[in-house]
Amino acid sequence: GDSVTQMEGPVTLSEEAFLTINCTYTATGYPSLFWYVQYPGEGLQLLLKATKADDKGSNKGFEATYRKETTSFHLEKGSVQVSDSAVYFCAPYSGNTPLVFGKGTRLSVIA
Amino acid sequence: EAQVTQNPRYLITVTGKKLTVTCSQNMNHEYMSWYRQDPGLGLRQIYYSMNVEVTDKGDVPEGYKVSRKEKRNFPLILESPSPNQTSLYFCASSSGMGYEQYFGPGTRLTVT
Repeated sequence: GDSVTQMEGPVTLSEEAFLTINCTYTATGYPSLFWYVQYPGEGLQLLLKATKADDKGSNKGFEATYRKETTSFHLEKGSVQVSDSAVYFCAPYSGNTPLVFGKGTRLSVIA
Repeated sequence: EAQVTQNPRYLITVTGKKLTVTCSQNMNHEYMSWYRQDPGLGLRQIYYSMNVEVTDKGDVPEGYKVSRKEKRNFPLILESPSPNQTSLYFCASSSGMGYEQYFGPGTRLTVT
């Protein structure tokens, strides 16, 4: 089945700092790749996705590029805000079951 | 408003007392799934359903049952809960496996 390795947290940054959360995956074929975000006390929600190699997903200032050669989908944001404090999950999908998620990376942004 | 609802949101129960956590979605999604979230282990899939009357095991199905009699509902049943099932549970739905999943707000279950 699919598997994913995600940078462990917690990550603590000052406001306006640059963020990178690493994600590498193992999957057959050409998986779709997702980043989900979980704000405190809520369920997960889709942040961004990419469905083929070299695609860049983006949303709310976050970006991630589908790198098939390195099987990676690292999440980046140029200038984080306090409101970005949350847990971030990487998830590949190639058609295998069960669906897998990374263990999550907790981000805390301080003013 | 498109949403996935779960009930109850919080539940404290005792070992062996059967319980059901309900999940309902109003998006006409075919695919529904249950996950548990535990510290250090992330999100793990318990069961999923591709459509009405079609269910299958995920990564950690032991101790759980599900049913899918209607498209909108996908209850999670713990026939004899044990303390190791203390966790945060999420229901999710999507238009198909591999598409964006919409998550409910979660049910925090404590089994003493």
